[in-house]
Amino acid sequence: DTAVSQTPKYLVTQMGNDKSIKCEQNLGHDTMYWYKQDSKKFLKIMFSYNNKELIINETVPNRFSPKSPDKAHLNLHINSLELGDSAVYFCASSLGRTGTYSYEQYFGPGTRLTVT
Amino acid sequence: AQTVTQSQPEMSVQEAETVTLSCTYDTSESDYYLFWYKQPPSRQMILVIRQEAYKQQNATENRFSVNFQKAAKSFSLKISDSQLGDAAMYFCAYEGGATNKLIFGTGTLLAVQP
Repeated sequence: DTAVSQTPKYLVTQMGNDKSIKCEQNLGHDTMYWYKQDSKKFLKIMFSYNNKELIINETVPNRFSPKSPDKAHLNLHINSLELGDSAVYFCASSLGRTGTYSYEQYFGPGTRLTVT
Repeated sequence: AQTVTQSQPEMSVQEAETVTLSCTYDTSESDYYLFWYKQPPSRQMILVIRQEAYKQQNATENRFSVNFQKAAKSFSLKISDSQLGDAAMYFCAYEGGATNKLIFGTGTLLAVQP
């Protein structure tokens, strides 16, 4: 009965490779997010999708490309991986906003990406 | 731009005692939301408590309560009767404006001493 799941949980790869992280939620939410947590534990939004439409795209290198095949899934593809991409990547989901009311976000378990 | 500041990188509390974690934020918005998230060593992000800025009453969830001072832009978390399982990194987060992205503080690592 996992709410927000991510695969894989750990990913070790070499510089220059291309990799994907998958996220799925079974909460019926229509808004999904990707956050990055760096080595100092700082968390920052990367992307957000609402009903498969990109609504937030922070200053992220073009090597990062999110894809939402349906509103229950949001995948993150990273091209030409660099050492600085090593981090924990969190997927989250929520019901988004209704009028001025904002619903809380539920996080997945995170994917620890290590680039060597 | 909105910012969130947590000025205590680390805190320590004795089991069964009370501890308060500080958070300040900066925003020009009038409607926004504030959150405290807990991240134990398992790295799972767990929502602890949430506060709507339009509510004057401070939010409480069992042993967790907040002191929300809107004019001072302060949002502290009080943990009463601390338990060993409370040991974790605690993040203060802000959400407001046109999008519902969370803006996080740098976190406070809480240790609970038996």
